[in-house]
Amino acid sequence: GAGVSQSPSNKVTEKGKDVELRCDPISGHTALYWYRQRLGQGLEFLIYFQGNSAPDKSGLPSDRFSAERTGESVSTLTIQRTQQEDSAVYLCASSLGGLGADTQYFGPGTRLTVL
Amino acid sequence: GESVGLHLPTLSVQEGDNSIINCAYSNSASDYFIWYKQESGKGPQFIIDIRSNMDKRQGQRVTVLLNKTVKHLSLQIAATQPGDSAVYFCAEKVWGGSEKLVFGKGTKLTVNP
Repeated sequence: GAGVSQSPSNKVTEKGKDVELRCDPISGHTALYWYRQRLGQGLEFLIYFQGNSAPDKSGLPSDRFSAERTGESVSTLTIQRTQQEDSAVYLCASSLGGLGADTQYFGPGTRLTVL
Repeated sequence: GESVGLHLPTLSVQEGDNSIINCAYSNSASDYFIWYKQESGKGPQFIIDIRSNMDKRQGQRVTVLLNKTVKHLSLQIAATQPGDSAVYFCAEKVWGGSEKLVFGKGTKLTVNP
C-alpha cells in the first residue's frame, strides 16, 4: 500500500514569505506527527495529532509555526514570515495510534531552503 | 529531562563484518524504543523496535538489545552490506506520556567493500 507522502519535495523561498507544507498519512492511521531535521542533526518533534483530540503543540518553536489536520487525513504545516534558521527538512510520520500501535512511518520529507 | 544520545557518531566497517551501534538514554520511564535507518535524501525507515519488558529482539540480520540497568540500547547488524550504509537513529517514547519520539543525533555507518 501507499506510504506517507509529502509535498513539495523541495521548497525554496525568500525570507519573510509564508510557506505551506503538506502531508498525506497512510490510510487508516489516526496519529500524525511533524518533525524538523536540520542538516546533520537528529529529528526534532514539532506537533502531534491523534484523532479528534487536541494536538500536542509542545514542540513548535515559535508562533510563526502552525499546523492543521482535516479529520484523520491530510495535514498542513504552515510557517509564516520564514527566517533563514527555518531551513531544514520537515518530516511527517503517521502511526495507527493507540496502545501498542506506536510505530511511526515517515514520509520522504520536504526540504525547505530560506534565502 | 529526556535525552537520547549515541556513543559513536561514525562507524566504518568492512563488508561482511558485524556492526554494533550504541545508544544511551536517560529517561528511566521510557518503555518503547525504535531504531530507524535514514539514507541520504530520504525519510527515516523503521528497522526494529523493542519494549521495555524485553531485553532482546531479533529481525532479519538485525538484533536490538536493551539493558535497562544501564539505560543502554544497541543495534547489531549481521554480515553488513554496502546497502546498510546510512545514518542510524535510536528513539524512545514514554508510555502514557506524549506520543512524540525523542531521537538521538544519529550514527553514520559506512560499509567499505
